[in-house]
Amino acid sequence: EVQLVESGGGLVQPGRSLRLSCAASGFTFDDHGMHWVRQLPGKGLEWVSGLSWNGNRIDYADSVKGRFTISRDNAKNTLYLQMNSLRTEDTAFYFCARDRYSTTLNYLDHWGQGILVTVSS
Amino acid sequence: DIRLTQSPSSLSAFVGDRVTITCRASQNINGYLNWYQHKSGKAPKVLITGATHLESGVPSRFSGSGSGTDFTLTISSLQPEDLATYYCQQSQSTPRLTFGGGTKVEMK
Repeated sequence: EVQLVESGGGLVQPGRSLRLSCAASGFTFDDHGMHWVRQLPGKGLEWVSGLSWNGNRIDYADSVKGRFTISRDNAKNTLYLQMNSLRTEDTAFYFCARDRYSTTLNYLDHWGQGILVTVSS
Repeated sequence: DIRLTQSPSSLSAFVGDRVTITCRASQNINGYLNWYQHKSGKAPKVLITGATHLESGVPSRFSGSGSGTDFTLTISSLQPEDLATYYCQQSQSTPRLTFGGGTKVEMK
């Protein structure tokens, strides 16, 4: 069974950093691209970032570009999101999700349960 | 950037009704359009990929259509368990993906 478990969320002050992790199991991790998606309070889903199986293809939403860094460790079956210079508007539930494909990122066929990040002073 | 506009933003219907949700892209996305169902407190679930392909295990009352810039998700006979928010998502601009604003479906 495919499982994606996010960790590392919590309360952080504006301007500080936080690193999210997503532990994957139940599938061959490096056969798939991976993504982070967030849901702001009372709002819809927003794609944050995605990367291919080997990290060679990466992109970010404009709202986080230059502040967030996505990465993966295929040996540890783990996806990361390093979030720097956090803003109050980054407060959201963050979901880790698996892409159906390895290189051409297309659609998200399995999702974690999500983890809350709250940016507040 | 490719923008996706969903309509309506919310709807209310009776059990058994036919429900249609539309998604319009700001440019031609060549059928790279997927639909998701998101129930409160749960992980989102993919329903339709490539505009028309029904994912394994998804009830046949769900269907997708469209091409170019205009796409539709149809629920042929609304069931109580279909209470959720539905999102379209494009991958024409991969690796950059975008979601539509969502359509909240409620029961009358």
